[in-house]
Amino acid sequence: AQSVTQPDIHITVSEGASLELRCNYSYGATPYLFWYVQSPGQGLQLLLKYFSGDTLVQGIKGFEAEFKRSQSSFNLRKPSVHWSDAAEYFCAVGQTNAGGTSYGKLTFGQGTILTVHP
Amino acid sequence: DTEVTQTPKHLVMGMTNKKSLKCEQHMGHRAMYWYKQKAKKPPELMFVYSYEKLSINESVPSRFSPECPNSSLLNLHLHALQPEDSALYLCASSQGQILVRTEAFFGQGTRLTVV
Repeated sequence: AQSVTQPDIHITVSEGASLELRCNYSYGATPYLFWYVQSPGQGLQLLLKYFSGDTLVQGIKGFEAEFKRSQSSFNLRKPSVHWSDAAEYFCAVGQTNAGGTSYGKLTFGQGTILTVHP
Repeated sequence: DTEVTQTPKHLVMGMTNKKSLKCEQHMGHRAMYWYKQKAKKPPELMFVYSYEKLSINESVPSRFSPECPNSSLLNLHLHALQPEDSALYLCASSQGQILVRTEAFFGQGTRLTVV
């Protein structure tokens, strides 16, 4: 069965500092990988996704992530954090249903809460 | 329009009540999902509908009954819930076509409290 590990439960950074959130996955086949962000009491917004091809993917809000198959990792990075980036970040691995028509079957990591100090 | 709309935003119900959660999308997506998220936990998949047919049921208790009346609508009927069912219920949709790999779009959720 697939699984996702986010080792850091809570990260605090200063505004303007760089950020890296870690994500490791366990999956038997080629993984479909996602990073979502969630503000308190809100739904999930997709930051970026990896299906295949270039292992460095760019997302919204200045985020990027790098897929490293050898390390089973998909870490999220941002060069300069803004106060509005404070939220909870979820890494997820997706798989299809038996008919290959549904890619929203997601297994999430436990999440990393990001706090940004002014 | 890349929006998934969920109603109501908040719901308080007693253990003997019957209520329904509603989810709507107009992106032409043919796969729709219900996720449950307890406080300080990640979302967990409950149901998947593909082309209006139930594709996956993650061993969810029968007090939760999903329904997909058409390709744009997804309901979750609730009956005889327990206080431990209190959570944020998230609806999502994705394109759902064979060999089309796309992400899932999530709604803002319904915050359910069972008293």
